[in-house]
This record gives sequence, structure tokens and C-alpha cells, in this order.
Amino acid sequence: DAKTTQPNSMESNEEEPVHLPCNHSTISGTDYIHWYRQLPSQGPEYVIHGLTSNVNNRMASLAIAEDRKSSTLILHRATLRDAAVYYCILKVTGNQFYFGTGTSLTVIP
Amino acid sequence: NAGVTQTPKFQVLKTGQSMTLQCAQDMNHEYMSWYRQDPGMGLRLIHYSVGAGITDQGEVPNGYNVSRSTTEDFPLRLLSAAPSQTSVYFCASSPSTGGYSEAFFGQGTRLTVV
Repeated sequence: DAKTTQPNSMESNEEEPVHLPCNHSTISGTDYIHWYRQLPSQGPEYVIHGLTSNVNNRMASLAIAEDRKSSTLILHRATLRDAAVYYCILKVTGNQFYFGTGTSLTVIP
Repeated sequence: NAGVTQTPKFQVLKTGQSMTLQCAQDMNHEYMSWYRQDPGMGLRLIHYSVGAGITDQGEVPNGYNVSRSTTEDFPLRLLSAAPSQTSVYFCASSPSTGGYSEAFFGQGTRLTVV
């Protein structure tokens, strides 16, 4: 299964943008890039996903490098409720979600 | 919408006891799965099902059984609980196994085996 690499932890000030990086140098052409987050004591929650083009939704934006070997999850204005562990996952049709250890985001008031 | 519902939320077992963790979804999703999460780690896949009557093993299936008799329910059975099975268990469902398909997770069951 294709692997992803994320920083263990990051900090951000409240109301500032946050850029969470993910490297996936072994990505294949059919792998979708998914992002999930896990708030304390909760199950993971879907954030966004994409294949080749940048994606926006109400929660975040996903910027995908042209060669697809890396991506960045962008939270436009961090709030205290965004403090969570963020997982970057590659998923191909027919395969399952395989989680790494993710990035623990701390939001500073 | 209830989404994915897991019961119980907390459970303490003695070594050697058996129990069933319940998972139900009301979204008519074909795909369901079970994960465990140990402290400081990501989720690891135990078993999954791509539809009623079809199940398969994930990364860490030993000590667990599953069955899928209906679309809605996907119970996870611990045959003989061991302290190494102390963990938080999450059930998830997806509309399909497509790479584009997002997963919906339950709130988890925290299991302690003493």
C-alpha cells in the first residue's frame, strides 16, 4: 500500500491559515488523496479528497502538486475546534483506508 | 440521520471472556469495516465487508470474527479476550469501495481487558 509522510505535530495561531503537508512520492495514477481528522475522543471525520486537481469545500482546501507526489491541506482560518489529528491517506478503488499516525494540530488562542 | 452507531461505548472484560461489539448504519452503505486504535497510533484495519454475506481480513484479524447477514449490521466478535486487545474500536461505512468514496465513522467503543 502506498505510504504517506506527515509531520508529527504542528501549531497555528487562532484565525490564521494552516497548511498541513503530506508527501506521497510512491502514489500511483489511480490513488485518490483523502484527508480525515480526528477530534479528541471521537471517530475520524472526512475532510476532503481529490485526484489531480485542487479541491475546495466548506471545511478546507486541498492543493495537489502537479506531479501528485505531495499535497497540502489548507484550513483558511484556524479555530480552536480545528485542534485534531489530521490524516492524509491514499485510497485506490477496491482497497481499504490505511491510516498512518497523522499530524497533531494545536491551535493557540 | 443516526449515521454509524456503535454499542457499547465502554466495556471492561476479563481475560478469556467473549463479547460482541455492535455496529449499525442507516445509510444503506455496502461497505463496512472495523478498525482498532491503540494509544498514540493511527487506526489499523481488522476486518471489512463489501456487502451482505461477504467479509475479508484486514491487517490485524487474529482474535476477531465478523459476519454480515444484513446491509445495516456488522458485528465484531472477540472470541477469547486478551489484554493485547485493549484498544478503542471504530466501525466505518462507505457507499462503495471506489477510491473517491468517503468513509463515515462511529464514535468508537473503548475496550479494556483485565
